Amino acid sequence: AQKITQTQPGMFVQEKEAVTLDCTYDTSDQSYGLFWYKQPSSGEMIFLIYQGSYDEQNATEGRYSLNFQKARKSANLVISASQLGDSAMYFCAMREGIIQGAQKLVFGQGTRLTINP
Amino acid sequence: DTEVTQTPKHLVMGMTNKKSLKCEQHMGHRAMYWYKQKAKKPPELMFVYSYEKLSINESVPSRFSPECPNSSLLNLHLHALQPEDSALYLCASSQAVLANAYNEQFFGPGTRLTVL
Repeated sequence: AQKITQTQPGMFVQEKEAVTLDCTYDTSDQSYGLFWYKQPSSGEMIFLIYQGSYDEQNATEGRYSLNFQKARKSANLVISASQLGDSAMYFCAMREGIIQGAQKLVFGQGTRLTINP
Repeated sequence: DTEVTQTPKHLVMGMTNKKSLKCEQHMGHRAMYWYKQKAKKPPELMFVYSYEKLSINESVPSRFSPECPNSSLLNLHLHALQPEDSALYLCASSQAVLANAYNEQFFGPGTRLTVL
């Protein structure tokens, strides 16, 4: 079974600083995908970034980048120049399989990020 | 339109009631998902529909009954729920993918369910 571990239950960061959210995973599959989602207090899950196991470059999306270290099985999310609106719960997720075109995701326990002004 | 809508936003029901949650998307996605999320926990997959057919049931109790009437709609029928079923119920959709490809799941805002 695949497993996602987020070891930081909570993080506090000053506005405009960069922040790294940790995510490690465990899988025996050669082909897999890793996602990061943001969940504000409103409840909606917002997709941030994706990294495929065969992607040679680290994924980037605006202020978000993924520090993918395959040998260490880690996929840390880096947020540059943090903003007050970045305060939210952040989940790392792994695609556990594809069944008839649908992706089964397993989520880590999440990290609650608080940006201080 | 890149939105998944869910109704109602909040629902309070007794253990003998029958209610339904509704989810709708107009992005042409052929995979739709129901998740349950307890407070301070990650979402847990309940059901997946692919091309309007149930493809995954994560051993969910029969008091939860999913339905996919068409490619845009997903319902979750609730009957004889227990207080421990109180949670945020999230719906998501995605394009169908091939092996080694991906498409992100778009989530709705959820329905906050309280069972008394």
